[in-house]
Amino acid sequence: GAGVSQSPRYKVAKRGQDVALRCDPISGHVSLFWYQQALGQGPEFLTYFQNEAQLDKSGLPSDRFFAERPEGSVSTLKIQRTQQEDSAVYLCASSPRGKAFFGQGTRLTVV
Amino acid sequence: AQSVTQLDSQVPVFEEAPVELRCNYSSSVSVYLFWYVQYPNQGLQLLLKYLSGSTLVESINGFEAEFNKSQTSFHLRKPSVHISDTAEYFCAVSDRNFNKFYFGSGTKLNVKP
Repeated sequence: GAGVSQSPRYKVAKRGQDVALRCDPISGHVSLFWYQQALGQGPEFLTYFQNEAQLDKSGLPSDRFFAERPEGSVSTLKIQRTQQEDSAVYLCASSPRGKAFFGQGTRLTVV
Repeated sequence: AQSVTQLDSQVPVFEEAPVELRCNYSSSVSVYLFWYVQYPNQGLQLLLKYLSGSTLVESINGFEAEFNKSQTSFHLRKPSVHISDTAEYFCAVSDRNFNKFYFGSGTKLNVKP
């Protein structure tokens, strides 16, 4: 596609519900990143993939957060048992090298 | 690890006036530096980057930033802003493997007529 695509654009979840956020990176981009952007804050690193390998997951805030990229292309960020503090915009970016292309993000609101 | 500080959360400025958005970083290793812009309801877009070479880098829409290693700064400047420059601007650093980008908290530029 022309850019990084994320779906859904908006998600409202009840506290305790599981959610799955999808990222379609630019075709051929080896690197894929997930970021969390809380209201009024800059994006905070969550995790990084190189192809299907998750090389860094140091930013995942708890074991309720899980990310995968099984075939080295599409990635899914899953949040189990959502809590109100999980409310944020989740950004996905893909990169050939030296430049990260960001999707428009998924705005998650936990009520 | 690296970190980025953007001291100004909001910068109001009149159209055609000059503007400077400040960015300071800290790092124990050599870094690459970036400015991203986020227009309302849109994703982050790369504005300009410093990887190596000339410390002054420019964007296609008149912004420029200068890498100052001694002051660990990468301030963004434009000599004359337009209404269309109203957006939030994020400074970011990455290590030289591009494994991780660290972002500042952002500066909202509000250009008034």
